[in-house]
Amino acid sequence: LAKTTQPISMDSYEGQEVNITCSHNNIATNDYITWYQQFPSQGPRFIIQGYKTKVTNEVASLFIPADRKSSTLSLPRVSLSDTAVYYCLVGDRGGFKTIFGAGTRLFVKA
Amino acid sequence: DAGVTQSPTHLIKTRGQQVTLRCSPKSGHDTVSWYQQALGQGPQFIFQYYEEEERQRGNFPDRFSGHQFPNYSSELNVNALLLGDSALYLCASSLARGTGRNSNQPQHFGDGTRLSIL
Repeated sequence: LAKTTQPISMDSYEGQEVNITCSHNNIATNDYITWYQQFPSQGPRFIIQGYKTKVTNEVASLFIPADRKSSTLSLPRVSLSDTAVYYCLVGDRGGFKTIFGAGTRLFVKA
Repeated sequence: DAGVTQSPTHLIKTRGQQVTLRCSPKSGHDTVSWYQQALGQGPQFIFQYYEEEERQRGNFPDRFSGHQFPNYSSELNVNALLLGDSALYLCASSLARGTGRNSNQPQHFGDGTRLSIL
């Protein structure tokens, strides 16, 4: 099972772009990379998922280099409401053998 | 389209008691996973149910047991409660049937049951 490493916390200001990088050196060939967001007293919410190169949706972008040993979640122009914990998962097959790390606590300041 | 619903939202028990938590998966989903999340930590996988059977289990003692019903809803039972069982218990659902056991379907989480042991 691929283990992930993320920064424990990050600070940003409203309107800035935030990039959170996750390391996953032992990622398997058929593993996807999935990011979740969690607010206090709520369950995690799916943000974005990708396999290689770049994926973009209405809330974030996910950049994955060719070797797939890391990935970067990019949040454009964050607001105070983006303050949350962000989890990077590798090989999340609908919960089968899913491992959450400690996540990255993002604090967005006014 | 209803998402994952869990009940109750909060629960207070004392040591040694037993508790049952309930989960209804997102409409159309057939797989339910349970997680325990202690304060300040990431969710820890307890077990997963598919086709009414436990198909994978995390590092949790036998005091933790579960069940899945024909309508895909699920229960988590914890016996002989300990102070350390105080946590947020999360249920997540996904779709396995028709997508392959190793599909990369993301999970949909409920907002959990906050269990406090006194």
